[in-house]
Amino acid sequence: NAGVTQTPKFRILKIGQSMTLQCTQDMNHNYMYWYRQDPGMGLKLIYYSVGAGITDKGEVPNGYNVSRSTTEDFPLRLELAAPSQTSVYFCASSRRGIIGGDEAFFGQGTRLTVV
Amino acid sequence: EDKVVQSPLSLVVHEGDTVTLNCSYEVTNFRSLLWYKQEKKAPTFLFMLTSSGIEKKSGRLSSILDKKELSSILNITATQTGDSAIYLCAVLTGANSKLTFGKGITLSVRP
Repeated sequence: NAGVTQTPKFRILKIGQSMTLQCTQDMNHNYMYWYRQDPGMGLKLIYYSVGAGITDKGEVPNGYNVSRSTTEDFPLRLELAAPSQTSVYFCASSRRGIIGGDEAFFGQGTRLTVV
Repeated sequence: EDKVVQSPLSLVVHEGDTVTLNCSYEVTNFRSLLWYKQEKKAPTFLFMLTSSGIEKKSGRLSSILDKKELSSILNITATQTGDSAIYLCAVLTGANSKLTFGKGITLSVRP
């Protein structure tokens, strides 16, 4: 059971570089989310998507972009990496957006360091 | 702005103790409250609470929601070292199912 798969698991970027964090789910979930987790700060929502072709900003979207061309994939793009983006990134998905008793399934996370 | 506040931020107990973790929220368009356990990697789902006053139970863990007080508690009885983790509370809001997380409670259970 693959569930939610994130790649890469670890990455070190130099300031100003760009990269894409990949997230794919094989559960045919409509809703997908990107979170970042900083030490002692809990999880903060970056972007989310309610279905293919539809995305919306979360709490901390600045410096990031997303796209959702298919139901399965929800990549997160960092265009000009900054040290403030050093964090652990989690992708999650849910079937019905958790309305009616569903829960979010999380990927294993990507640890990103910007130096 | 939606807010979820957890307390205490950290807690150290001995095996066998009972702990109560608190979560309070100030949000618009509340749908549900969720508890997650996070060890070294990704959060894992514990409970979802939608109705006030109905306790959900799983082994030594239980949780209840109080919509009047805008809060929830997570109880762990007879704690074990394997319960050591960060416990995250999240509130689901809005038609588009946004999850707002608290900062988490770090629980350490000593042998």
